[in-house]
Amino acid sequence: QSVLTQPPSASGTPGQSVTMSCSGSGSNIGTDTVSWYQHLPGTAPKLLIYSNDQRPSGVPDRLSASTSGTSASLAISGLQSEDEGDYYCASWDNSLNGYVFGTGTKVTVL
Amino acid sequence: QVQLQESGPGLVKPSGTLSLTCSVSGASITNFFWSWIRQPPGKGLEWIGYVYYSGSTSYNPSLRSRLSISLDRSRNQFSMKLTSVTAADTAVYFCARDPGSASPSSWFDPWGQGTLVTVSS
Repeated sequence: QSVLTQPPSASGTPGQSVTMSCSGSGSNIGTDTVSWYQHLPGTAPKLLIYSNDQRPSGVPDRLSASTSGTSASLAISGLQSEDEGDYYCASWDNSLNGYVFGTGTKVTVL
Repeated sequence: QVQLQESGPGLVKPSGTLSLTCSVSGASITNFFWSWIRQPPGKGLEWIGYVYYSGSTSYNPSLRSRLSISLDRSRNQFSMKLTSVTAADTAVYFCARDPGSASPSSWFDPWGQGTLVTVSS
């Protein structure tokens, strides 16, 4: 029951840039912050972005994120093979009084 | 370095109770918000609920009637129980920390690697 909508897939060749969106509503992205995660099957999801645009220590500055109104986006520049995986956005929803996740975007490096 | 590890039965019978434990190392459980999150096969992530270090909880409304999450401070663990399970509860279950203090921070870091729980007779 994903409340946040993401495109199912995105792809690019090494060195290119990809951008993915995350569409929500006034009860989540419109009023609370967004985080982004990379998930590879069989592993722990990894925090990439918190508080809309902040990178944790160790996350390369090739990754950047922004929000506008009820939408958010994540951009990866200088695409590398290690960037492959599933990417999820997340936020707190004040109507549900709980966390909500995006539908996920599968990134493929061609 | 904070690490989380899920444990529990990998197979639960329909109508039974799914019980999982998350063991936390590298940080005290007497702080922060501690969540359970799941991913059904081929689907996206779903937040299940959290327990605050004080013991207060918040649950996904869709699971609230069947769910309980608790802390074990002596073992630095937290656990979940989901009753009356069906095949729809088959998923990889993750535990994760929200590093918020007085209120949720809206992000999770770190996560456990996840454990697959299958509901089947």
